[in-house]
Amino acid sequence: DQQVKQNSPSLSVQEGRISILNCDYTNSMFDYFLWYKKYPAEGPTFLISISSIKDKNEDGRFTVFLNKSAKHLSLHIVPSQPGDSAVYFCAASTDKLSFGAGTTVTVRA
Amino acid sequence: ETGVTQTPRHLVMGMTNKKSLKCEQHLGHNAMYWYKQSAKKPLELMFVYSLEERVENNSVPSRFSPECPNSSHLFLHLHTLQPEDSALYLCASSRRTGGDSPLHFGNGTRLTVT
Repeated sequence: DQQVKQNSPSLSVQEGRISILNCDYTNSMFDYFLWYKKYPAEGPTFLISISSIKDKNEDGRFTVFLNKSAKHLSLHIVPSQPGDSAVYFCAASTDKLSFGAGTTVTVRA
Repeated sequence: ETGVTQTPRHLVMGMTNKKSLKCEQHLGHNAMYWYKQSAKKPLELMFVYSLEERVENNSVPSRFSPECPNSSHLFLHLHTLQPEDSALYLCASSRRTGGDSPLHFGNGTRLTVT
């Protein structure tokens, strides 16, 4: 049973605009959430995280929002750049990490 | 040296072959992991080692056999695999086990079983 779901397999956005990636989870015991980014032929790299005691964490162009009541997580990238084109994985944890299936982001010039 | 190095990058093997995947981390981390990534599916955790002791085995078939001789090296020994085992195998490390310690991944081994 998949506990972390990324329902949009792909997203296309114009350069300079905002990219919004969404993630839903089912396990209310999750207490830490992470986003990873993956380029082709490379392993995923850690991007940003948020603890369940917060509802927002920002790092440069990347902001993660957590809505615990809705069991929903989102990643905002603004402004989007061509180098942001990649697959983005949402992950959630108690003591173990569960990953979503990923969203492929394409930033159009 | 990159943080987590995996070899080989690509591997094609027959169902009767025996091969091994190698992972080395240069980050001083205490935990190492094997993950499987199949197309359009979430990453699946296979094995977790903490300080060279296996702490998790996620119901992985015995045709996959991990080995962790020290905290910097991790192997995945493969034998009598099936075509459905074809996937990207990712090694990762972290400072410690626990979901709030971000994983550092290698670039993976693309395995094809013929």
